[in-house]
Amino acid sequence: DARVTQTPRDKVTEMGQEVTMRCQPILGHNTVFWYRQTMKQGLELLAYFRNRAPLDDSGMPKDRFSAEMPDATLATLKIQPSEPRDSAVYFCASGLAQGAGTGELFFGEGSRLTVL
Amino acid sequence: DAKTTQPNSMESNEEEPVHLPCNHSTISGTDYIHWYRQLPSQGPEYVIHGLTSNVNNRMASLAIAEDRKSSTLILHRATLRDAAVYYCILSPLFYGGATNKLIFGTGTLLAVQP
Repeated sequence: DARVTQTPRDKVTEMGQEVTMRCQPILGHNTVFWYRQTMKQGLELLAYFRNRAPLDDSGMPKDRFSAEMPDATLATLKIQPSEPRDSAVYFCASGLAQGAGTGELFFGEGSRLTVL
Repeated sequence: DAKTTQPNSMESNEEEPVHLPCNHSTISGTDYIHWYRQLPSQGPEYVIHGLTSNVNNRMASLAIAEDRKSSTLILHRATLRDAAVYYCILSPLFYGGATNKLIFGTGTLLAVQP
C-alpha cells in the first residue's frame, strides 16, 4: 500500500529549540501539503507545493516556520525557534494534480509536537 | 473560498443508514464537493467527491442537490469503525496553475451506537 510517511511520530522539545518534521509523499504525487491541527483551531493549511515549487505559504508564521522540498521524495517543515503555542499535530498530505482532475489527497499519520 | 455548514454532531445506530448533511449556498460552478473523514488519532482520509451528479463508491454515496447548494453523504450501514469527524469541503478543479487545496471546517462528529 502506498502511503505518506511522516517522521518523527512524536516529538517533545523545549521552547527555543529547532524542530524539523519530514514527509515522504507517495511516489509520483506532485502536490504536497502541510497542515496543523489543534483542538482550538482545527485543521489549518500551512503551506503547499506543486512540482516542488511553493505555491502558497500564507498560513505559516513566516518568522519561525519554513517549508521546503529538497527533492520529489522529501518535504520538510522546520520551526526555529519553537514555542509552546506550536504544540500541535502536523499532517503532511500528497496528491496528484493533472489536467482538470481534482485529485484525492492522501494524509500521513501526523507528527505530534509538544513544546515545553 | 466558498464555505460549508455542517451540524456539529450526529448520532447513529450500528447497521443503520446515516445521512450527513452539508450546506454550501455560495458554491461556484467550478467547485467540487469533497468529503473526508478523520478517525480518532489518524490523519484525514478521502471518502468521496462529486461535481453535479450523485456518486457512489465502496465507502459511501454522495447525493448532490440539483441547485448544488447542498449535499448529503450517505453511509448505507454504519459500523462502529465509521465513528469519526466528517468534513465537507469545496474546492475548485485543478485547472492550469490552480491546485486542489482543501480548507477544512469543523466538520460533523459522528457517534455510532452499538
